Amino acid sequence: SAVISQKPSRDICQRGTSLTIQCQVDSQVTMMFWYRQQPGQSLTLIATANQGSEATYESGFVIDKFPISRPNLTFSTLTVSNMSPEDSSIYLCSVEGRGQGRIGELFFGEGSRLTVL
Amino acid sequence: AQSVTQLDSQVPVFEEAPVELRCNYSSSVSVYLFWYVQYPNQGLQLLLKYLSGSTLVESINGFEAEFNKSQTSFHLRKPSVHISDTAEYFCAVKGAGGTSYGKLTFGQGTILTVHP
Repeated sequence: SAVISQKPSRDICQRGTSLTIQCQVDSQVTMMFWYRQQPGQSLTLIATANQGSEATYESGFVIDKFPISRPNLTFSTLTVSNMSPEDSSIYLCSVEGRGQGRIGELFFGEGSRLTVL
Repeated sequence: AQSVTQLDSQVPVFEEAPVELRCNYSSSVSVYLFWYVQYPNQGLQLLLKYLSGSTLVESINGFEAEFNKSQTSFHLRKPSVHISDTAEYFCAVKGAGGTSYGKLTFGQGTILTVHP
């Protein structure tokens, strides 16, 4: 298993500002994943953060809006830029279990709940 | 691409009653299937999964789910629920094979509330 710590756990932000969410994992992992959970909706993958290379973004998400850093094998940040109320969501960091038998087994942080006014 | 539909957004039940949380998926390829659970004020965690083999899979706390390929379903069941089962449950699917590491397609979640 993996223990994932995220901060902040929640924040209230003003429209037009940016916020950086930090994610720390207790073991070295090649890939870290950022998901978004909008109110009343399912989780959606934003991007995959690879150590030593640019993040890979899913359709509908762009680097200018959600820049990601991955400075080492245990840490990543996601920035939500120029926020609007539509960005109010829970943002989740996750990693995948290792080995064939752990395919799809994601470990999640407790999430960062952002409210944009 | 895959999609997941959880047919019930909320399911209220009384303690010790049976419960079924429904999940249907669509996919053009073979899939792996998962149920995740989020207890109040906690992070998401894996409850059970189907990768291959027996179509009936079980969790350590008495839940089970059956992969039904013909009906493209993966319903979650428990014969007798406890107050502590109150949580939000997410069904998820992942295409088998390929390199879509970490990418699961989630349903919208079902909030299970167990009443005394």
